[in-house]
Amino acid sequence: NAGVTQTPKFRVLKTGQSMTLLCAQDMNHEYMYWYRQDPGMGLRLIHYSVGEGTTAKGEVPDGYNVSRLKKQNFLLGLESAAPSQTSVYFCASRRGLLNIQYFGAGTRLSVL
Amino acid sequence: AQTVTQSQPEMSVQEAETVTLSCTYDTSESDYYLFWYKQPPSRQMILVIRQEAYKQQNATENRFSVNFQKAAKSFSLKISDSQLGDAAMYFCAYSVQGGSEKLVFGKGTKLTVNP
Repeated sequence: NAGVTQTPKFRVLKTGQSMTLLCAQDMNHEYMYWYRQDPGMGLRLIHYSVGEGTTAKGEVPDGYNVSRLKKQNFLLGLESAAPSQTSVYFCASRRGLLNIQYFGAGTRLSVL
Repeated sequence: AQTVTQSQPEMSVQEAETVTLSCTYDTSESDYYLFWYKQPPSRQMILVIRQEAYKQQNATENRFSVNFQKAAKSFSLKISDSQLGDAAMYFCAYSVQGGSEKLVFGKGTKLTVNP
């Protein structure tokens, strides 16, 4: 039972490069979320999805895009990476009735 | 906007002793959830305990229990019989019932367990 799987686990980018982070969940959850964690901070919501084909902005959406073409996958894209996007990125999916979010292991991204 | 405040950046406890981590939150909502998540050095976010605001009874999970004071908007975590494996960052989080039910996190408390 894999739960929530994030790929890649680590990545180094140069300023201006693009990349996509993949989140996959096998629990048939409707809701999925992307958060970022910076040093000395808790997690902050970037974007979220309440179902296949839907996305919405969170607290810190600038510089990111997302897509939810399949229920089990939630992609986070950086079109032109900036050093301010150096962070650890977490994906989560939510079990609806109990409002419990299950997290992936995180992706550490460095933008030079 | 909802905010979550953890006033203790770091705490330490002796193995087998009890420690309490503090959390306060600000909200105008009446229906919400509160959580404590543990983040060990592996970086994985692990749910420790969950409290529904409409329940007056404090949640417990084995050695972990909370003191939920709704009027004071306080939600502290008590760890009894602390173990070396409890060493981690602990995050308090809040979620409004309904809608996106996104989590709003505090900045965390780093817990050290001394042998």
